[in-house]
Order: sequence, then C-alpha cells, then structure tokens
Amino acid sequence: NAGVTQTPKFQVLKTGQSMTLQCAQDMNHEYMSWYRQDPGMGLRLIHYSVGAGITDQGEVPNGYNVSRSTTEDFPLRLLSAAPSQTSVYFCASSSAGTSPSEQYFGPGTRLTVT
Amino acid sequence: SQQGEEDPQALSIQEGENATMNCSYKTSINNLQWYRQNSGRGLVHLILIRSNEREKHSGRLRVTLDTSKKSSSLLITASRAADTASYFCAYPTGTASKLTFGTGTRLQVTL
Repeated sequence: NAGVTQTPKFQVLKTGQSMTLQCAQDMNHEYMSWYRQDPGMGLRLIHYSVGAGITDQGEVPNGYNVSRSTTEDFPLRLLSAAPSQTSVYFCASSSAGTSPSEQYFGPGTRLTVT
Repeated sequence: SQQGEEDPQALSIQEGENATMNCSYKTSINNLQWYRQNSGRGLVHLILIRSNEREKHSGRLRVTLDTSKKSSSLLITASRAADTASYFCAYPTGTASKLTFGTGTRLQVTL
C-alpha cells in the first residue's frame, strides 16, 4: 500500500494563478480531508469529504474548491492564488465514514504564492 | 475558533527524561487523538482515547483524558532523541464530526 500520496511536493505560483493539488489514497477510506499548516497555527481544516460525491467546508474554505468523484481521489483546487495561501497543505484519510477515527496523512505540499 | 490549546508550546529535555504535554479543548468530544510530526513530514497517529476512558497506554506513551476539565495530557517516558518532533492533539468538533487540531508542542530531546 502506498497510503496517502500527494503531488506535487513543492509548488510556486504567482498571484492570480490557479492550480490543483492532488491527493490519492489506496486504503478504501471513506473519509478524506485537506488541511493547511501555518507556523504557530497548527492544522486548520479546509474541506472534507465523508464519501464519494459528498463534500463540506471546514474552518478555512475560502479560495479553495474540492470534489470527490471517486473514493480514492480528493483534489484541492486553488481558484486564484493569493499570498495568504502560502502554506503547507496536507491531505488525510480515515476509515470511518461520518465519525473520524485515526487519520493517515500524506507527506504534504509546500506552496508558495508570490 | 474551536482550535485547542496545547502547552507548553516548546519543551526541551534530555534523553531519558519524561516529557509531558497538555491539551485543552472547548467542546464535548467522543474521542481525542494525539499525533506526531517530524520536521518537514506529515503527521503520524500515535494514540486515540475515547471519552469513556480516563487513561490509555501504548508503549512509552501514556494519555489521560479529563472530560470534566476538557483536557488531556500526553506523557512520553524515558525519552529518546528520536522523539524530537511536534506533537498535536486532535478531536472531532461540530455535528459533521470535523477533526480539529491543537496548536502543537515542539519537543526537543537532547543527548
């Protein structure tokens, strides 16, 4: 099992550009989520999904879109990048459908917006 | 914000000593989890304690949960240099069971 994979590992964007951060898991987990990690802030939930076709907003959803067309994939789209979106992004998955149990994290994507 | 608070923010100890970090949260929960993050890496799940448990052990880890005080502690006994990492508590919040993370404790274990 590869677990949770994320691509790319590093990305530099200019303000206003759009891009998609990819996340995939091969554990047949129903629950997937995206977090951003900023210094001194811990992890903050951006969007999450409790199953294919079902997504919902987390604590800091503005500027991000998600979709969940398959169990395996949960891409995060930045619509128009802003410097405030400079952060490290983590994708996570867990086996519980509506009540999270332990989460498995990907290695992260370090995004810089100039 | 429902983000939990952890203290201390940073902790430096020598190998062989015990390390204790604390987490306080603001809502009713049905479980609380602890994660470790090595520098530049993703988070790794350490232990989960349910709301009807007061204490749980896993190897050199001991977790306590006091739901009346809305607090939890993580004790690492006989610490090693390899324990150097950031440690986060996390718990479900809201009706949709979103997971909220604490602000983290940075642990440095020196030889």
